[in-house]
Amino acid sequence: QSALTQPPSASGFPGQSVTISCTGISSDAGGYNYVSWYQQHPGKAPKLLIYEVNKRPSGVPDRFSGSKSGNTASLTVSGLQAEDEAEYHCRAYMGSNNYDFGPGTQVTVL
Amino acid sequence: QLQLQESGPGLLKPSETLSLTCTVSGGAISSSTYYWDWIRQPPGKGLEWIGNIYYSGSTYYNPSLKSRVTISVDTSKSQVFLKLNSVTAADTAIYYCARGWVGASDSWGQGTLVTVSS
Repeated sequence: QSALTQPPSASGFPGQSVTISCTGISSDAGGYNYVSWYQQHPGKAPKLLIYEVNKRPSGVPDRFSGSKSGNTASLTVSGLQAEDEAEYHCRAYMGSNNYDFGPGTQVTVL
Repeated sequence: QLQLQESGPGLLKPSETLSLTCTVSGGAISSSTYYWDWIRQPPGKGLEWIGNIYYSGSTYYNPSLKSRVTISVDTSKSQVFLKLNSVTAADTAIYYCARGWVGASDSWGQGTLVTVSS
């Protein structure tokens, strides 16, 4: 059972923005801001979108952005496109060399 | 370009040992910058971190699986291994290996489905 919570679903029209929350980030994580976000299309392996709360790997569009406040991290997808329809997973370092994933959020582009 | 490929038996019986291999190509497996994660995903469910191994050989495991899991590496073959003892139907999942970096997994294998059934 994950210690992190995400809304099961989110949706928006093309061009709109959608924000997904990930609550339960540990305050006892040794000062590490190890929060990451992954996009997963059906039948595919997850793809890293955001690492260290708000950094994007090379090749990830700047439409994807991350933030964190208190024990909640957020992923915002701006300018929604059809190909953004996917499952989104958060991951956080929980301290004591332990990581946890959120249950995932299904994003639907209306 | 880094590539990871999981391999191993796709069907196990309850109480057997799951043994998977992750073969890494296109990049160094023994780098102090990276570590190697195993992550699984039961059908229709979310991701679960199983554990990881660093270049030093240090291993860390999910507390919920720690008593049954062993992760090891053979740098000469660029392979990372996962063993999970005493499997049950609850261990049925797609198993992924991934390269870890600053708390994230930046490259993933395609995953391999392991089914536990009598």
